[in-house]
Formats: sequence, structure tokens, C-alpha cells
Amino acid sequence: LAKTTQPISMDSYEGQEVNITCSHNNIATNDYITWYQQFPSQGPRFIIQGYKTKVTNEVASLFIPADRKSSTLSLPRVSLSDTAVYYCLVGDTISSGSARQLTFGSGTQLTVLP
Amino acid sequence: DADVTQTPRNRITKTGKRIMLECSQTKGHDRMYWYRQDPGLGLRLIYYSFDVKDINKGEISDGYSVSRQAQAKFSLSLESAIPNQTALYFCATSDLEGSSYNEQFFGPGTRLTVL
Repeated sequence: LAKTTQPISMDSYEGQEVNITCSHNNIATNDYITWYQQFPSQGPRFIIQGYKTKVTNEVASLFIPADRKSSTLSLPRVSLSDTAVYYCLVGDTISSGSARQLTFGSGTQLTVLP
Repeated sequence: DADVTQTPRNRITKTGKRIMLECSQTKGHDRMYWYRQDPGLGLRLIYYSFDVKDINKGEISDGYSVSRQAQAKFSLSLESAIPNQTALYFCATSDLEGSSYNEQFFGPGTRLTVL
């Protein structure tokens, strides 16, 4: 299983850029890296997905180095409403066999302070 | 996501009882998943189904069974509930369309307490 490691918690202030790094040393060739956001008592919500290099969407950027053994979620100018747990998920759902390897890490609790 | 619903939202039961958690989706997705989440931990995959005739065990399937009654419905059963199955259970769906084909859409969760 592609085990992931993330910092347990991070604090930031409103308006700052936040970078959360996830380590996944034994990522497989077919694995994608997906980040989710979860608020208390809610299901996780997709943020961004990537395979290599850099991916950007309207809410975040994802940086993946060439060896793909880590990835960094970047949240620009965070606000109080970004306070949540952020999960890095490594795997893919393309094939039935590979989906069994879907592994959520313990997540990073991001607290945005005023 | 309102397109993925779970019933019940909360359930308290006793050890040894049979419990069924239900998941329905209107997204038209073929793929459905059941996860459990324990306090302070990430989600762990219990079972998943890629279509009505395809059921697969996830990381922690012992003590659970599932039924895919239709494309839109995926039920999780605890045949004889035990206290360490107390957790938050999430259903999710996905499909292969679009660029984010690994994106899963999660339901609101079912909080299960086994006394």
C-alpha cells in the first residue's frame, strides 16, 4: 500500500499562502495523487488531483516532483473558512484491482487564524 | 454532496444486532465505495463496487458485507455489530468521465454507535 505521511497540524493567518506536504515514498507507477478537504461531520470534498509536475485549478495548486515521492498542496491566501482537515490520497480508481490500494492518510488539520 | 445520500444519519445499536447502512446516488456513477473513519484518523476502505456485478473487498472488510442492489444503491451491512465498529461511515461514488476521474463524491456520513 502506498502509505502517506502528512504533518498532523498547521496554523496560518488569513491572507497567507499555505503549503501542505505529503510523503508517499512507495507510490506506484499508476497512482495519482488526490487531495481532499474535510469539515467536521461532513464527507471529504475533492480539491485537486495530479500525476506529475504542477496542476492548478481555481482553488489550489499541486506540486509533484519528478520522483513523485512527495506532493505539496498550495492554498493561496487562505481565509477562516479554509480551516479544515486536508487529506492526501494516493492511488487510482481506474481498475478494480488498483482501487483496493486507495489509502487516505491521517490528514493535516489546518487552522486559519484571524 | 446532495447527490449522494446516506440513511440513517445516526444510529445507536447494541452488540450482536444486525445493521444496514444505505447509500443512494443520483449522479449516474457506476463506482461506489464504503469507508469508515475513526476519530482523528483518515478514511479506510471497506468495500467497493465498480458496477452492479462487481464487488470487491477493501482494506478492512472483515465483519462487513455489502449489496449493490442497483447502479444507484449500495448497502453496507454489519451482520453482528461489535463496539469497535463504532465509527463514522461514508459512502462515495466516482466514474471515469472527465479529467478528474479519480474524484470521489462523498455522502454526508452515518454516525454509528455500537453499545
